[in-house]
Amino acid sequence: AQSVTQLDSQVPVFEEAPVELRCNYSSSVSVYLFWYVQYPNQGLQLLLKYLSGSTLVKGINGFEAEFNKSQTSFHLRKPSVHISDTAEYFCAVSDTDKLIFGTGTRLQVFP
Amino acid sequence: DAGVTQSPTHLIKTRGQQVTLRCSPISGHKSVSWYQQVLGQGPQFIFQYYEKEERGRGNFPDRFSARQFPNYSSELNVNALLLGDSALYLCATGRGTSVADTQYFGPGTRLTVL
Repeated sequence: AQSVTQLDSQVPVFEEAPVELRCNYSSSVSVYLFWYVQYPNQGLQLLLKYLSGSTLVKGINGFEAEFNKSQTSFHLRKPSVHISDTAEYFCAVSDTDKLIFGTGTRLQVFP
Repeated sequence: DAGVTQSPTHLIKTRGQQVTLRCSPISGHKSVSWYQQVLGQGPQFIFQYYEKEERGRGNFPDRFSARQFPNYSSELNVNALLLGDSALYLCATGRGTSVADTQYFGPGTRLTVL
């Protein structure tokens, strides 16, 4: 079965600084990869997904992620964060008919 | 179009009771999946339904059951509640059954078991 590891439970960063949220998954077989964001007291919103093709995926709100098959990683990046990016971020991998989520990374943006 | 809606938003039950949670999908979506999100954890897959049939089931006990109605809305039932069932229950809907399809999540139902 697939598993997802988000190594950083919390990432504090100042506004306008770059950020990278790390995600590693367990299997090298073909998978689909996703990043979701969860704002307080809300459901999850899809930021971006990798299905095939270009390894650099661009998403909403200026986020992008790079699929690295050899490293089994799918790290999320943003060149300049805003206060409004403060939220919980979840990486997910496909496993047959379902998504397997990581434990989440809390991104805290300070002014 | 309205997004995915879930009801109720909050619920408090005691151990041993039964609970029913409801989900209405986005118009045109025929697939409904249920996830349990325990505080501090990522969501865990419980069920997927498509065209009223169960298409997938996660590693949850038989106390958990679900169904999908002809209008594609869905209910999640949990019997004999345990303290450990306290969680945010999320519903996600999509057009088809492929995990590659974008799933749209509702705001969730916060269940507290005392």
